[in-house]
Amino acid sequence: QVQLVESGGGLVRPGGSLRLSCAATGFPFSDYFMTWIRQAPGKGLEWVSSTSPNGMTTYYADSVKGRFTVHRDNAKNSLNLQMNSLGAEDTAIYYCARTFISIVLPPAAIHFDYWGQGALVTVSS
Amino acid sequence: QSVLTQPPSVSAAPGQKVTISCSGSSSNIGNNDVSWYQQRSGTAPKLLIYDTNKRPSGSPDRFSGSKSGTSATLGITGLQTGDEADYYCVTWDSSLSAVVFGGGTKLTVL
Repeated sequence: QVQLVESGGGLVRPGGSLRLSCAATGFPFSDYFMTWIRQAPGKGLEWVSSTSPNGMTTYYADSVKGRFTVHRDNAKNSLNLQMNSLGAEDTAIYYCARTFISIVLPPAAIHFDYWGQGALVTVSS
Repeated sequence: QSVLTQPPSVSAAPGQKVTISCSGSSSNIGNNDVSWYQQRSGTAPKLLIYDTNKRPSGSPDRFSGSKSGTSATLGITGLQTGDEADYYCVTWDSSLSAVVFGGGTKLTVL
C-alpha cells in the first residue's frame, strides 16, 4: 500500500536551515509528481512546492521562492525539501503528498491522493 | 487572505444535508477543476473529490462535488458525527501558476 513518511522536522532558530525528507513506498515513485503542503498551528493548508516525476520541473509558492528547494532522489524513492532563511512564519506541519497534475491544457487539474502524517517544523529562538 | 473563499463554518443536524461553497475567479475555478479534502482533528487531510465531481475509491457517495461559473460546491448528505472536520477546496490558478487552497470550512454536526 502507498505510504509516505516525513522526517527531519524539529526546532530551528530564525535564519537557520532545515532539510525535510519524505520516504515513499508502495507505488512507482518516479512516475508521479510530488508536493509539499504545510499547515501553520491552528491555520489552514498552504501549498509550498511541487516537482515533476523527473525533478526537472518545479513550482514554488511565492512565500518560499528563493529560500526553499525541492529535490527528489528517484533511486531512493525520496522527496526532500531544503529550507533556508527560516522565519517564524515557516513554523508549521509539513506534509508530502502524491500528486496528480495536468496544467498544460485547460481545464487544469490537480489533486493529492495520498498524504504523509506530517513533520513539525518550529522556528523559534 | 486565501485566493479561494470558503465560509469559516457550517453546521447541520445528523442525517441532514449540508453544502460548502468555494468561490474563486476565472483564473482558477472558472476554468480549472477543483478537488476537496477532509481533515479531521489532528490528522492528515484526505482526498474526497477530484476533477470537480469525481470520487476516489473509498470516498462515500454521500460526498459530491459540483461547479458553476467561478464557484465550486461540496455537498454532504446523510450527515454523521464522524463528518465533523475541516474541509478544503483546491485548484490551480493559471494566472499565478500556483496551487491555491481555500481557507477551510469547519463542519459541525449538531
